[in-house]
Amino acid sequence: GAGVSQSPSNKVTEKGKDVELRCDPISGHTALYWYRQRLGQGLEFLIYFQGNSAPDKSGLPSDRFSAERTGESVSTLTIQRTQQEDSAVYLCASSSRLADLTDTQYFGPGTRLTVL
Amino acid sequence: AQRVTQPEKLLSVFKGAPVELKCNYSYSGSPELFWYVQYSRQRLQLLLRHISRESIKGFTADLNKGETSFHLKKPFAQEEDSAMYYCALLVGKLIFGQGTTLQVKP
Repeated sequence: GAGVSQSPSNKVTEKGKDVELRCDPISGHTALYWYRQRLGQGLEFLIYFQGNSAPDKSGLPSDRFSAERTGESVSTLTIQRTQQEDSAVYLCASSSRLADLTDTQYFGPGTRLTVL
Repeated sequence: AQRVTQPEKLLSVFKGAPVELKCNYSYSGSPELFWYVQYSRQRLQLLLRHISRESIKGFTADLNKGETSFHLKKPFAQEEDSAMYYCALLVGKLIFGQGTTLQVKP
């Protein structure tokens, strides 16, 4: 079946502009995650949605970052007033806690964000 | 604090040599650990998880609670194993190590 998809695949923006990144999880997956991978660094957790529970926002680096998810479908990650340090690959993952007790996360291809 | 450490940024071996990618974790509870792999120009994907005690592509990883380690091993490396490997700890979300690039030379 279809995997996790993300759009756009690449985004170049100017410092100070807002950007929106989109993630389409695997159908039926109740959990959705956003991670960030900056050049030369590991993956960094940003935010996590699980069903109707309040999202875990503990990884968001500043209040310029926010994310929404409608039900168990699409999620958007918004970065306001982008800064050069926001340049990174933003990865989305989804998992089905109901079907897979080990909670394997399936990753999308990522969005490469470049802030000039 | 919950933390995953992969001490080696780069590991370079010759084809046929044994490989061990190190991973140590810090977690007070019962850990649920994974190895993820990212081949060139491909998305990040699960390699194996400790709870399954499986061998995937010849790789195995044993959880050692005494040493808080989950090292990834393969007895004979192949060129196609060249990739970035991430160890991860599940605590609701995944906490990743910094990753190790494995380079297998012919």
